[in-house]
Amino acid sequence: DADVTQTPRNRITKTGKRIMLECSQTKGHDRMYWYRQDPGLGLRLIYYSFDVKDINKGEISDGYSVSRQAQAKFSLSLESAIPNQTALYFCATGPGANTGELFFGEGSRLTVL
Amino acid sequence: KNEVEQSPQNLTAQEGEFITINCSYSVGISALHWLQQHPGGGIVSLFMLSSGKKKHGRLIATINIQEKHSSLHITASHPRDSAVYICAVLPPGNFNKFYFGSGTKLNVKP
Repeated sequence: DADVTQTPRNRITKTGKRIMLECSQTKGHDRMYWYRQDPGLGLRLIYYSFDVKDINKGEISDGYSVSRQAQAKFSLSLESAIPNQTALYFCATGPGANTGELFFGEGSRLTVL
Repeated sequence: KNEVEQSPQNLTAQEGEFITINCSYSVGISALHWLQQHPGGGIVSLFMLSSGKKKHGRLIATINIQEKHSSLHITASHPRDSAVYICAVLPPGNFNKFYFGSGTKLNVKP
């Protein structure tokens, strides 16, 4: 099994629908991230969390919300999806120690019609 | 403004060729990652560097901190190396903010 698991892997939805992308990790890492990838652009940070009580906005948080239900689980929600949120979304984790290690999930491809 | 620039954006090679992908960055860093993204979409970290050189199988990564430049080399390239390679840098003392390049798409033909 993957260390960082994302569900669903693919989702097609309609404008205005609420969507949740889930991420779970078995690495015991404190830091968790949600990134968005668009063609021709680098990964962009949506939200990050250092522990269950710590949630922080990234550079493109508008239109998104997150929940850190447990150390191992970090969910991303689109309250009312719009077509320009069509993208590939990645969850990533990193140890809390003084290291820049980063581990990614396999991605969730979201299409908003 | 792109803090991380990669070149080339696209690269086609014949099997067996030696390949170099370059990454230049404009910020101070504590670490640099080379990431690999296969067509299925998943991303894996190939190397994390803070100085010098690392080697793993046919892959070699080097970094020159003074010149703010890193290279990823693939020796004896193979079609299974076809992927997008992404450079990512981490500024000192800030685990929130990785800067990512837009990636180099490599296609190795048999």
